[in-house]
Amino acid sequence: QVTLKESGSGILQPSQTLSLTCTFSGFSLSTYGMGVGWIRQPSGKGLEWLANIWWDDDKYYNPSLKNRLTISKDTSNNQAFLKITNVDTADTATYYCARMTVYYGLLLNWFAYWGQGTLVTVSS
Amino acid sequence: DIVMTQSPSSLAVSAGETVTINCKSSQSLFGSVRQKNYLAWYQQKPGQSPKLLIYLASTRESGVPDRFIGSGSGTDFTLTISSVQAEDLANYYCQQYYDSPLTFGSGTKLEIK
Repeated sequence: QVTLKESGSGILQPSQTLSLTCTFSGFSLSTYGMGVGWIRQPSGKGLEWLANIWWDDDKYYNPSLKNRLTISKDTSNNQAFLKITNVDTADTATYYCARMTVYYGLLLNWFAYWGQGTLVTVSS
Repeated sequence: DIVMTQSPSSLAVSAGETVTINCKSSQSLFGSVRQKNYLAWYQQKPGQSPKLLIYLASTRESGVPDRFIGSGSGTDFTLTISSVQAEDLANYYCQQYYDSPLTFGSGTKLEIK
């Protein structure tokens, strides 16, 4: 059974760094074809993809935030991480991590399993 | 970026009716790998995280009821929900994975009369 759970900074002030952790079970990020992505959703609004990381440490970032994003993983502890620097009120959202699997070599794919999300609020 | 345009933004139907949600992409999502369209559909019920319904435009995820049908090719796609049930109250999103950045439609809110 695949499960994912996000945890994060909770409340931050503008210009701080947001740190998010995705703890998962039911798969390993050291296994061929496995990937984890981060997606966020401001309250009452739509979904925005942020970044992906794959079993081979290949990484993809949304260019609109690329300079502020860093995705990483700890395969020993079944965790993936996302850091967002210099946060602003516009970064207030629920942040989700989700699992992906490679499809015939494609590293841009759909999200089959989602965590419950963690709410991050940026406020002065 | 590939822009995903969903319509309608909201709709209200009675239980038992059939619903059609449209998703149009700003460029073709037909890919050379396996000759498939790189589009997914998600359902997000109130207070929950999104749930995958359809991938490769028309492949139903395991456990998804067969009243959910994905169709379309190229730039025009449709999610059809036949015999809508009260439990289908949700927001529905399309997502393209043809190119980076991955992008989602703005969502369609389905209400049950």
